[in-house]
Amino acid sequence: DAMVIQNPRYQVTQFGKPVTLSCSQTLNHNVMYWYQQKSSQAPKLLFHYYDKDFNNEADTPDNFQSRRPNTSFCFLDIRSPGLGDAAMYLCATSREGLEAFFGQGTRLTVV
Amino acid sequence: AQSVTQLDSQVPVFEEAPVELRCNYSSSVSVYLFWYVQYPNQGLQLLLKYLSGSTLVESINGFEAEFNKSQTSFHLRKPSVHISDTAEYFCAVSDYGGNQFYFGTGTSLTVIP
Repeated sequence: DAMVIQNPRYQVTQFGKPVTLSCSQTLNHNVMYWYQQKSSQAPKLLFHYYDKDFNNEADTPDNFQSRRPNTSFCFLDIRSPGLGDAAMYLCATSREGLEAFFGQGTRLTVV
Repeated sequence: AQSVTQLDSQVPVFEEAPVELRCNYSSSVSVYLFWYVQYPNQGLQLLLKYLSGSTLVESINGFEAEFNKSQTSFHLRKPSVHISDTAEYFCAVSDYGGNQFYFGTGTSLTVIP
């Protein structure tokens, strides 16, 4: 009965090679978020969708893009991963900004 | 804009002892408040939340937090911790009608046998 599912759990990619992380939800929530979390740090919001409206954080690098083809799915694209992009990436959903539900995360390694 | 401060980055405590993890927030509007717990290599799990009503909220595993509007605090407490409570704890805030969650820097709770 998983509600927010992230795939894969672990992703290894080469420096500069595009990579896509995926997130799906069964909650029918209208808001979906992508967070980046580095070791021993708080999750950092990259962007969020309110329905189809995309909201980018001012300090999110252009290297990070996102797509939300429908309510259930959201993707994080990293166009040219650098070593500094190695992190845990967390997807979350909420209904109108109430409680956020998180997936298990994808740990990205850049080699 | 909202912000969250967790003053204690690391809290070691002996098993069965009480613990308090501190959280203060700043906001010019009314807010919702949350505590999340994160185990290694896992996502964040909701521990408890304050949306409205009683200022004292409880979780199913013995944690409680009290919303104090005058002190803009939402401290997390447990009267007797277990080894299994060892984890990272994040305080978060979102504003009424907003869609963004702002997280504190986290507190690493280590329960010592």
